[in-house]
Amino acid sequence: DTAVSQTPKYLVTQMGNDKSIKCEQNLGHDTMYWYKQDSKKFLKIMFSYNNKELIINETVPNRFSPKSPDKAHLNLHINSLELGDSAVYFCASSFRTGGIVVGTGELFFGEGSRLTVL
Amino acid sequence: AQSVTQLDSHVSVSEGTPVLLRCNYSSSYSPSLFWYVQHPNKGLQLLLKYTSAATLVKGINGFEAEFKKSETSFHLTKPSAHMSDAAEYFCVVIRTGFQKLVFGTGTRLLVSP
Repeated sequence: DTAVSQTPKYLVTQMGNDKSIKCEQNLGHDTMYWYKQDSKKFLKIMFSYNNKELIINETVPNRFSPKSPDKAHLNLHINSLELGDSAVYFCASSFRTGGIVVGTGELFFGEGSRLTVL
Repeated sequence: AQSVTQLDSHVSVSEGTPVLLRCNYSSSYSPSLFWYVQHPNKGLQLLLKYTSAATLVKGINGFEAEFKKSETSFHLTKPSAHMSDAAEYFCVVIRTGFQKLVFGTGTRLLVSP
């Protein structure tokens, strides 16, 4: 069973379109993340949700909107796609214990969704 | 603010020879440090972590790293490279107790027969 699964794995679309990437984890974690990896392999956090509550929101254009229907799912919707949005988007999950942030650093990553905007 | 610098973008070794991937960190607080590995077209996987316990940390697949506060370094080593070690390696820092990881720019390890 895949622990963190993302769909689709590949996405090719035109500029101006709207697209979504879905993520699900079956590890029982309470915190989920979206990371963006650019063409130079640089990884940057975009969002993090804990029990459906947004806890990290980096400086990301508001064309990007995360949605967490429950703690096992975190979807990413992107409006009006631009060329610069082309990247690999990684979903990840971890534990955050109770009301105390546990910085264990162990994230479990999905295999990524490669978005190409033409 | 926390940051990490991976000193080499590429490292090439022969199978059976030692591996050294270098990472320096900068942190105003007590850091936690990690190494993650990314194989081609795969997600990232945790190799090992330092969280203020033993300074020499052992990870999976024979890798280890030593936390040296005086040198602000956390270099990753392996005595003998295997072909399957070819991948991208990321050094990561987190402010202890917080959730936001900061990734280095990565080092690509190439292993030749």
